[in-house]
Amino acid sequence: GQNIDQPTEMTATEGAIVQINCTYQTSGFNGLFWYQQHAGEAPTFLSYNVLDGLEEKGRFSSFLSRSKGYSYLLLKELQMKDSASYLCAVMDSNYQLIWGAGTKLIIKP
Amino acid sequence: DTAVSQTPKYLVTQMGNDKSIKCEQNLGHDTMYWYKQDSKKFLKIMFSYNNKELIINETVPNRFSPKSPDKAHLNLHINSLELGDSAVYFCASSQETTSGIPNTGELFFGEGSRLTVL
Repeated sequence: GQNIDQPTEMTATEGAIVQINCTYQTSGFNGLFWYQQHAGEAPTFLSYNVLDGLEEKGRFSSFLSRSKGYSYLLLKELQMKDSASYLCAVMDSNYQLIWGAGTKLIIKP
Repeated sequence: DTAVSQTPKYLVTQMGNDKSIKCEQNLGHDTMYWYKQDSKKFLKIMFSYNNKELIINETVPNRFSPKSPDKAHLNLHINSLELGDSAVYFCASSQETTSGIPNTGELFFGEGSRLTVL
């Protein structure tokens, strides 16, 4: 079956750096996505990786290793507003998105 | 202007009732989706419509019926509601290529409709 694994919850301190990992096993691969979802709100797109390596976008970076079935989302200079769930999703060979359950990130002052 | 809007945002109803959730997108996208997010926060795709044609129909009960009058609207009708139907239902849209392959797969979500079945 298809599977996306990411930690359920992480805690970090304001101003620090946090890395949220995601491992996947899917039938085919057409890209990996990270979405941010604040409590009670809709998910919003953060990043898309289809080639190996690091994609940087401001304070957020996303890394992909297709051979390892692994990705991480790196958040720098954490702010209180970064408290949210971070969802990893993989597009399989049928171009369907397979979603992880999300990692709830708690930022403490 | 809200890009993807869905109504109602909150819906509380009794078991056995029939209810509908409406969704509209003004992004000019070709594909629209309905997702269900349960208490465990998994996002599960239910339906996808590309240019008014159903292209995904995951194993959801046939009590759920999507209706797409045009490519800017995708409504969800639910018959004989059950307790397990309680969840947040998200509508989303994306821009696909003419062959149905998404450009980046970026989805634009509506704000969600929280359905509570008592």
